[in-house]
Amino acid sequence: DGGITQSPKYLFRKEGQNVTLSCEQNLNHDAMYWYRQDPGQGLRLIYYSQIVNDFQKGDIAEGYSVSREKKESFPLTVTSAQKNPTAFYLCASSHGTNTEAFFGQGTRLTVV
Amino acid sequence: GIQVEQSPPDLILQEGANSTLRCNFSDSVNNLQWFHQNPWGQLINLFYIPSGTKQNGRLSATTVATERYSLLYISSSQTTDSGVYFCAGPDNNYKLSFGAGTTVTVRA
Repeated sequence: DGGITQSPKYLFRKEGQNVTLSCEQNLNHDAMYWYRQDPGQGLRLIYYSQIVNDFQKGDIAEGYSVSREKKESFPLTVTSAQKNPTAFYLCASSHGTNTEAFFGQGTRLTVV
Repeated sequence: GIQVEQSPPDLILQEGANSTLRCNFSDSVNNLQWFHQNPWGQLINLFYIPSGTKQNGRLSATTVATERYSLLYISSSQTTDSGVYFCAGPDNNYKLSFGAGTTVTVRA
């Protein structure tokens, strides 16, 4: 099936550890995005990438890092520098940065 | 980036009722999307509607780009319509900005 796959669905991390969230798409989309959602809030943009080997910071990039080595993959690393990492993380993709975006099912990260 | 304001923040409906959700933008947008977030957190695409009106079953949406707003209509609401509805649009750098959402509760 075509779509966006995020893994894992649930992730627990100890304080001080880095953790990487996976996002894979087989829609042949050029653009990919990472968003963070806190309880009762809207979505805030962490990073986005318009093309392979290029990405830009969103509104809340501090404490996060990404890579875009392949068109279909856009992993997000939550580093120990992120002071409040517990949240719901959503990955999206689109043909371009001004076209319809589609989302994965999300990863719930909890720091224990 | 653009500011996206959604109203009302919360909406409680009796099953069968109709409702209208509104989305205002601080600047003009080239496209606009409406999403429904289900209880498991997944965002379901409802409409991609830069301008004009579209309908999909009991749902319809209208965007008036020149006046920077969009409306989502829910007719004959059902309990399965419950959830959070988001609108989103890109800013000049094509970053998709979201509103805070409207939480809809449909009671049987």
